[in-house]
Amino acid sequence: GENVEQHPSTLSVQEGDSAVIKCTYSDSASNYFPWYKQELGKGPQLIIDIRSNVGEKKDQRIAVTLNKTAKHFSLHITETQPEDSAVYFCAASIPNDMRFGAGTRLTVKP
Amino acid sequence: KAGVTQTPRYLIKTRGQQVTLSCSPISGHRSVSWYQQTPGQGLQFLFEYFSETQRNKGNFPGRFSGRQFSNSRSEMNVSTLELGDSALYLCASSFLGIQETQYFGPGTRLLVL
Repeated sequence: GENVEQHPSTLSVQEGDSAVIKCTYSDSASNYFPWYKQELGKGPQLIIDIRSNVGEKKDQRIAVTLNKTAKHFSLHITETQPEDSAVYFCAASIPNDMRFGAGTRLTVKP
Repeated sequence: KAGVTQTPRYLIKTRGQQVTLSCSPISGHRSVSWYQQTPGQGLQFLFEYFSETQRNKGNFPGRFSGRQFSNSRSEMNVSTLELGDSALYLCASSFLGIQETQYFGPGTRLLVL
């Protein structure tokens, strides 16, 4: 089955810096790649997603890139703010299953 | 528009008991998926229901089951609880399924003693 690896497990940046989180997947049939942000005591919230027919997608300060050949995708957050501090999860989905990375705890220091 | 709601928010059970968790999706959403979140195993997909039918199932034992009603509300049941079932159980709803934007509820935290 699908296996998703996520790095790093923790990331600390200064406010205003960029943050990059990387994920790799194993199943070449994966075609949907969402990223979620989870704050303490809350459920995950979708922040951006990308499909396998697209190489890059951007939404304001957040961007995701996908390299299908290498089977990896990355989340880029620019101009980080303290409110970006949370746990971020990547996921890879085939039509009948979804697998998540282990999560990255991002801390943005003011 | 109201978000996804889950009840109860917290639950304590003992080994061997069974438990039923409830999820009310966003109005108009026909897909409800359930996930288990633990510190050790992370987020894992349990199953998805669409229009009252189980459409997809993750790799969990038969003790984990669910159903969906005609109003799209869903319940998840765990029988013969084990200590390892202690987790945050999340449900998510979407219009079309797990490969579309999913909206998560706050979760039900289950503790098995």
